[in-house]
Amino acid sequence: DVKVTQSSRYLVKRTGEKVFLECVQDMDHENMFWYRQDPGLGLRLIYFSYDVKMKEKGDIPEGYSVSREKKERFSLILESASTNQTSMYLCASSRTVLRWLAGSYEQYFGPGTRLTVT
Amino acid sequence: QKEVEQDPGPLSVPEGAIVSLNCTYSNSAFQYFMWYRQYSRKGPELLMYTYSSGNKEDGRFTAQVDKSSKYISLFIRDSQPSDSATYLCAMSVGKANGANSKLTFGKGITLSVRP
Repeated sequence: DVKVTQSSRYLVKRTGEKVFLECVQDMDHENMFWYRQDPGLGLRLIYFSYDVKMKEKGDIPEGYSVSREKKERFSLILESASTNQTSMYLCASSRTVLRWLAGSYEQYFGPGTRLTVT
Repeated sequence: QKEVEQDPGPLSVPEGAIVSLNCTYSNSAFQYFMWYRQYSRKGPELLMYTYSSGNKEDGRFTAQVDKSSKYISLFIRDSQPSDSATYLCAMSVGKANGANSKLTFGKGITLSVRP
């Protein structure tokens, strides 16, 4: 059974703290993603990675950084947490599909981390 | 204009109703269309996917794509309380390598099916 796990379900941090959110997948997927989900705004892509040590900015990268040192692990870092970063954070992974119709583009999601910054 | 627009909801229907969920998009390069279902306090899970235009049926669910109108729909027949969830449409340009691996999601609509 495919699995994406996230290090915490709930997290409370103080303004200005450095926060690490960890994501691990066991499917040998090349691609990994970090989203945040907020009411009325939907899923917004923060960063993604299509290979070890590679990263691409998503739609809202400001205030975040990422690290991917191993294929199975993708970390999201909040350098100095702020209250507007209170949100649900979702990690996902997918396999690389090199040819049209050659496979599934499905992203598999973790259960999410509810982060509250006070 | 956002690349993908989805009816904001929420939507509440009685058990047994036919539900129609819709998304429109502006990027004509999208080739692969998906619907995800997200239960409360869980991550989204893939419900259905279709390539290009046409219909696809899976039990009580039908996904429909009209590329000429840039419009996709998800129909739920004989809706059940267990269908109560948030539904998100998602789209891809049809390649999933490198920078093309990302999906573009609609905002999601919350459906409640009343017993």
